[in-house]
Amino acid sequence: GQNIDQPTEMTATEGAIVQINCTYQTSGFNGLFWYQQHAGEAPTFLSYNVLDGLEEKGRFSSFLSRSKGYSYLLLKELQMKDSASYLCAVRDGDYKLSFGAGTTVTVRA
Amino acid sequence: DSGVTQTPKHLITATGQRVTLRCSPRSGDLSVYWYQQSLDQGLQFLIQYYNGEERAKGNILERFSAQQFPDLHSELNLSSLELGDSALYFCASSVAGQPATNEKLFFGSGTQLSVL
Repeated sequence: GQNIDQPTEMTATEGAIVQINCTYQTSGFNGLFWYQQHAGEAPTFLSYNVLDGLEEKGRFSSFLSRSKGYSYLLLKELQMKDSASYLCAVRDGDYKLSFGAGTTVTVRA
Repeated sequence: DSGVTQTPKHLITATGQRVTLRCSPRSGDLSVYWYQQSLDQGLQFLIQYYNGEERAKGNILERFSAQQFPDLHSELNLSSLELGDSALYFCASSVAGQPATNEKLFFGSGTQLSVL
């Protein structure tokens, strides 16, 4: 099966930067996704990486190293509305998308 | 609003019962996915349908079944319910069912199932 690990919780201050790490072991690899999920709501797409390197999208950036089975999501200039769960998801060699358990980020004033 | 519609939003039932969850995908999307999310676990992939046919199967119990109808809406049937089946059930849709690396899923708001 797939193994996707990410920290359970992180806390940061408004305006700061937080980095959420994700490591994975999958049968084949066809891309890595980050989703944001506010409590009780649907996950929404944040970013996608399939090649090594950094993808930047406004305050959010995502990095991938395929050789290390590693990704991170970087959230800059944190805002209170960024308090949510962040899900790392990997598409395996059979194109199935599996999710990690999620990292709950709490932004404090 | 993702464009994916799930009904009902909440469902409370008793052990041993059977329920049906409904999902309408985004307009134009042919694939429907079902996921289960429990408090202590991440999103667990259950099953995928593409244009009416089963495309991929995940950790779906034999007590659970799903189908996709000609109008592309999908239903997830859960039977002989147990306390442990209490969870948030999400439906997601995407345009294609053919393998595409960057194809992202659009999620509905979920159905919260409580088995008492």
